[in-house]
Amino acid sequence: EAGVAQSPRYKIIEKRQSVAFWCNPISGHATLYWYQQILGQGPKLLIQFQNNGVVDDSQLPKDRFSAERLKGVDSTLKIQPAKLEDSAVYLCASSALGGTTPYEQYFGPGTRLTVT
Amino acid sequence: AQSVTQLDSQVPVFEEAPVELRCNYSSSVSVYLFWYVQYPNQGLQLLLKYLSGSTLVKGINGFEAEFNKSQTSFHLRKPSVHISDTAEYFCAVRGSGYSTLTFGKGTMLLVSP
Repeated sequence: EAGVAQSPRYKIIEKRQSVAFWCNPISGHATLYWYQQILGQGPKLLIQFQNNGVVDDSQLPKDRFSAERLKGVDSTLKIQPAKLEDSAVYLCASSALGGTTPYEQYFGPGTRLTVT
Repeated sequence: AQSVTQLDSQVPVFEEAPVELRCNYSSSVSVYLFWYVQYPNQGLQLLLKYLSGSTLVKGINGFEAEFNKSQTSFHLRKPSVHISDTAEYFCAVRGSGYSTLTFGKGTMLLVSP
């Protein structure tokens, strides 16, 4: 079974530029999560999708961050414009609604963003 | 709402020594508990989980954890560590019936020869 795929793995941009990250979840997983992991901290949930609908985006800075999951499969997270404090690893995870391990989250390798 | 406290940001230990990484949680509902490991430049990998049943759970790589409801703790242990166990370890909690995970700040395990 293929895992969660993310790209790019690394990105360096200047502040005020825009950037986009892509995530392809495990096949059949209805729920997709985006986390922000700042150095020295645990992952913080930014947004959660179930199929193509948003379940929770309470911690997403909506003035600069946006995310979509148009066909209920892969997803894109965008930052526009970026700030220095957005430097972090952005993790994508997915989980199934049923089966043997419902709600168990599987993580991708992450995208490390550096804003200069 | 849930919260997780990992009291130790860093735990240095010599190879083949035992180790315990501490995790305490708070929640107003029944919880499921998890330990994840993160190697450098990689995503999170599930080590073990407590959903129900026996309070002592065994995971991969020789790790185990004990759920203590009265002390709201879920400490991770390994009787003998290896150099390859050097990584960051995260404790996480999820309310039963919910899918959202809340993570602690992590504990860096540093194993030296």
